Amino acid sequence: DAGVIQSPRHEVTEMGQEVTLRCKPISGHDYLFWYRQTMMRGLELLIYFNNNVPIDDSGMPEDRFSAKMPNASFSTLKIQPSEPRDSAVYFCASSLRGRGFAGYTFGSGTRLTVV
Amino acid sequence: GEDVEQSLFLSVREGDSSVINCTYTDSSSTYLYWYKQEPGAGLQLLTYIFSNMDMKQDQRLTVLLNKKDKHLSLRIADTQTGDSAIYFCAERGQAGTALIFGKGTTLSVSS
Repeated sequence: DAGVIQSPRHEVTEMGQEVTLRCKPISGHDYLFWYRQTMMRGLELLIYFNNNVPIDDSGMPEDRFSAKMPNASFSTLKIQPSEPRDSAVYFCASSLRGRGFAGYTFGSGTRLTVV
Repeated sequence: GEDVEQSLFLSVREGDSSVINCTYTDSSSTYLYWYKQEPGAGLQLLTYIFSNMDMKQDQRLTVLLNKKDKHLSLRIADTQTGDSAIYFCAERGQAGTALIFGKGTTLSVSS
């Protein structure tokens, strides 16, 4: 299995531009999570999906952030318009609830820089 | 609410043992986890412990759980320079599936 695949690995954009981050979870996993990592705040859960349905989006910082999961093999996190304070590493993770411990498999992350 | 606390930094010499500590607040946590993050990479599951266990050993790793004090520790025996990374403690409560992570402990190993 190729693991959780995120793209792009790095993104540099200007303030005000739209940014779309992409994630392909592990095949067969029924949960997908988006996290944001910064030095100041550590790892923050933004949103997670179960069977493509958003379950908890209380971590999404503002209306500028939106996430979708149109099918079991693809999810996007969109920021529109982007701001410098959105600069962070964004991780996608997936898991299979049927496994007793439900550990996550993380992607390698997208490093977003908004200038 | 749920919270996971860790010390931010630990520095050890190669060959020594490292102990990384974590406290959590959710007494209903069913599983507790240790993840490792190397530079430029995502988090990798190192080990986990079920809440009805006190200890789990896996090669150089020993996890100790004190459920009464809500304290979790990770001991790395014979620490190597390749163990230098950020280590995250995480808990999963019964109510949901989403893990709550601590801010991570940066382990620096000097030769």
